[in-house]
Amino acid sequence: AAGVIQSPRHLIKEKRETATLKCYPIPRHDTVYWYQQGPGQDPQFLISFYEKMQSDKGSIPDRFSAQQFSDYHSELNMSSLELGDSALYFCASSLAGTPLYNEQFFGPGTRLTVL
Amino acid sequence: DQQVKQNSPSLSVQEGRISILNCDYTNSMFDYFLWYKKYPAEGPTFLISISSIKDKNEDGRFTVFLNKSAKHLSLHIVPSQPGDSAVYFCAAKRGGATNKLIFGTGTLLAVQP
Repeated sequence: AAGVIQSPRHLIKEKRETATLKCYPIPRHDTVYWYQQGPGQDPQFLISFYEKMQSDKGSIPDRFSAQQFSDYHSELNMSSLELGDSALYFCASSLAGTPLYNEQFFGPGTRLTVL
Repeated sequence: DQQVKQNSPSLSVQEGRISILNCDYTNSMFDYFLWYKKYPAEGPTFLISISSIKDKNEDGRFTVFLNKSAKHLSLHIVPSQPGDSAVYFCAAKRGGATNKLIFGTGTLLAVQP
């Protein structure tokens, strides 16, 4: 079965640069979530989208923005990168309006390293 | 403020025996709980979940127990297999419009052959 796809898998950037992470949800899933996992930490919720609208917001810095497109894929845009932004960024998806909505399926993650 | 806690950072079990991973939470508004398994450099893989209206859910070798009065849940894996060795995260979500998951700190399970 098709899973959540994230690209790129690895990204190295310099401080103050920008980065764009992409997420392609499981086919027909209409809700996308972004999580950040720092070294040795648990995943922290950043933001989510349902039907192209922001549905929830967590601890996402103002330097970050995200959107969901009509094909349900999502992009996380990160500007003025800082060393502390180095982390694994996970995207997850689920299908609203079904008993499975509560179950989020995660992608493999993008490892961002800021030098 | 860690709302979901896994107090055992690591657990070692012999192959074929039972693995019991524990999770405690503080927010009584949580109404759905999930367990994820994570290998290094991979995303969390969904294992099993339970609604707050139930006290047990079973799927093959995996059983999750929920004790709402104690705000405690546990994941039982029996029999444990070496391939089960991974980090296990407990996660919870609140009722209502939000669907974001609050994760615990994880427990590293090592199943010894």
